Amino acid sequence: DTGVSQDPRHKITKRGQNVTFRCDPISEHNRLYWYRQTLGQGPEFLTYFQNEAQLEKSRLLSDRFSAERPKGSFSTLEIQRTEQGDSAMYLCASSLLGGGADTQYFGPGTRLTVL
Amino acid sequence: AQKVTQAQTEISVVEKEDVTLDCVYETRDTTYYLFWYKQPPSGELVFLIRRNSFDEQNEISGRYSWNFQKSTSSFNFTITASQVVDSAVYFCALSFITQGGSEKLVFGKGTKLTVNP
Repeated sequence: DTGVSQDPRHKITKRGQNVTFRCDPISEHNRLYWYRQTLGQGPEFLTYFQNEAQLEKSRLLSDRFSAERPKGSFSTLEIQRTEQGDSAMYLCASSLLGGGADTQYFGPGTRLTVL
Repeated sequence: AQKVTQAQTEISVVEKEDVTLDCVYETRDTTYYLFWYKQPPSGELVFLIRRNSFDEQNEISGRYSWNFQKSTSSFNFTITASQVVDSAVYFCALSFITQGGSEKLVFGKGTKLTVNP
């Protein structure tokens, strides 16, 4: 049973460029989450999918951010016109909808550095 | 509003010492879930435990134990006989259902534990 995978693990880009990250959840998991983590902080919720439907977006997610989950499988997070403030670790998590709270399992993250 | 506070930013111990990581949470919900995750230097968050608000029994798993007290809104984590491999950042998190029906985790800022040989 493979865990959540993310690609790339590291991304360095120049300000103003677009970047795209990919997340592959645990295969039977129907829920997928994106979080952002900056240095010295805990992860902060960005957005959430149940199957292919994006059900919630945080106010942290500006118009420059867009996420998709076509066919309810992998997900992509795109940041357009990157800014230095976007530098952070982007974490993906997946869970299986069930009774009570789901346990979210996290991937290794993509560390973004915007120069 | 939901909030998790981990007052200890960093803790340093010597191997074999016991160490307790504190977690205090705030919520108005009567049903909620609490979690602990470990984040080693590699960066991946590793799930350790999930506890629901109706189950106040303490839990022990090997060298790890958790003390959940609703009266003080605390969910503390103790590592007994710490080892160097326990060195990591530990996060406490609270799960709640949003107005939109989504489930969301709110994390504390984490406690960095360093276990020295």
